[in-house]
Amino acid sequence: DTGVSQDPRHKITKRGQNVTFRCDPISEHNRLYWYRQTLGQGPEFLTYFQNEAQLEKSRLLSDRFSAERPKGSFSTLEIQRTEQGDSAMYLCASSLVGDYREQYFGPGTRLTVT
Amino acid sequence: DAKTTQPNSMESNEEEPVHLPCNHSTISGTDYIHWYRQLPSQGPEYVIHGLTSNVNNRMASLAIAEDRKSSTLILHRATLRDAAVYYCILRVSNRDDKIIFGKGTRLHILP
Repeated sequence: DTGVSQDPRHKITKRGQNVTFRCDPISEHNRLYWYRQTLGQGPEFLTYFQNEAQLEKSRLLSDRFSAERPKGSFSTLEIQRTEQGDSAMYLCASSLVGDYREQYFGPGTRLTVT
Repeated sequence: DAKTTQPNSMESNEEEPVHLPCNHSTISGTDYIHWYRQLPSQGPEYVIHGLTSNVNNRMASLAIAEDRKSSTLILHRATLRDAAVYYCILRVSNRDDKIIFGKGTRLHILP
């Protein structure tokens, strides 16, 4: 039973560089979510997909952030022109469609912008 | 989304029961009460959820007050592995989308 996987687990980048993270959901899950978590806070919602359609984006998702799920399977989250404030844990989760379906989270990608 | 209030941290001794409280005084009739927990260096994981009746599963029990303005997550016999941040969350039944997390309760287990 493979859960949600994320790659890379850690990323250190310099301010102004672009970074891309990948999330592989549980294979039969058609919903995929991205969250961001900073130290001492709970995860904050960024965006989610149902299959390949991006259904909602948070106000937190500035123009420098873009997410895709091209074939309704894996997803990528790209941050352009990174800023120090982007340093956080980026979490991916997946679920089936349906009322109050539990979300299964990956281990996260920790981004450090220097 | 309705808000929840939880203590910032709690301590418990190993092998004793733990009662984690959550207040949600503005809960509406269609809000389900969910609990997730986040172990150190891991993503959150689902624990339990309920609407009105108390619920039990292999991980925990959920006791919901009759007026639904509060609930308690019960770990019957805490182990060191249960040390985590526990999040109490309200989810609207007909909207299966994002989870709004608060800061949760950091549970420390003393050996």
